[in-house]
Amino acid sequence: DVKVTQSSRYLVKRTGEKVFLECVQDMDHENMFWYRQDPGLGLRLIYFSYDVKMKEKGDIPEGYSVSREKKERFSLILESASTNQTSMYLCASSSGQPAYEQYFGPGTRLTVT
Amino acid sequence: AQSVTQLDSQVPVFEEAPVELRCNYSSSVSVYLFWYVQYPNQGLQLLLKYLSGSTLVKGINGFEAEFNKSQTSFHLRKPSVHISDTAEYFCAVSDLRGDYKLSFGAGTTVTVRA
Repeated sequence: DVKVTQSSRYLVKRTGEKVFLECVQDMDHENMFWYRQDPGLGLRLIYFSYDVKMKEKGDIPEGYSVSREKKERFSLILESASTNQTSMYLCASSSGQPAYEQYFGPGTRLTVT
Repeated sequence: AQSVTQLDSQVPVFEEAPVELRCNYSSSVSVYLFWYVQYPNQGLQLLLKYLSGSTLVKGINGFEAEFNKSQTSFHLRKPSVHISDTAEYFCAVSDLRGDYKLSFGAGTTVTVRA
């Protein structure tokens, strides 16, 4: 069974804090993704990575950065958290086979006060 | 670029009744299509996918979907729902350019009542 784990289920941070969200997958997948989920907007892609040390911007990268130093780990960084970054964050991974099916972690609900 | 429209944001349904969730997509190239389900306080899990071949796709938990290329639709159906099917459902599309990205619809919340 593919397992994608995220470091926290719930997180509360203050405005201006630096926030790290960690994601680990155990299936040796090449591709990893960070999404943000908001009611009525579905999932929006923040960043993704095809390989170690590689990253690509998604649809809403502003205010975020990522790090992938090891194949199994993909970190999302909020350099200076703001209240409009309060959201559910979902990590996913895929091997590219079969046909880009993505496996998701349980999510981190981040509240910025 | 591709996009996905889920035509219903909320679908209330009685237990043992059928349900259909509608999904339309737009893309200039051929696509792969997916339906994911998100149960309360959980991540997303794959219900079913269309890659090629038969346009009627069967998935887990009794769900099925039909790919209609001419209408660019991929509607999800279940003939008889259970309380446990209460969840949010997402349609997603990936084109065949090989960039591995999925585009998701806004989601449909299904609430099953006894």
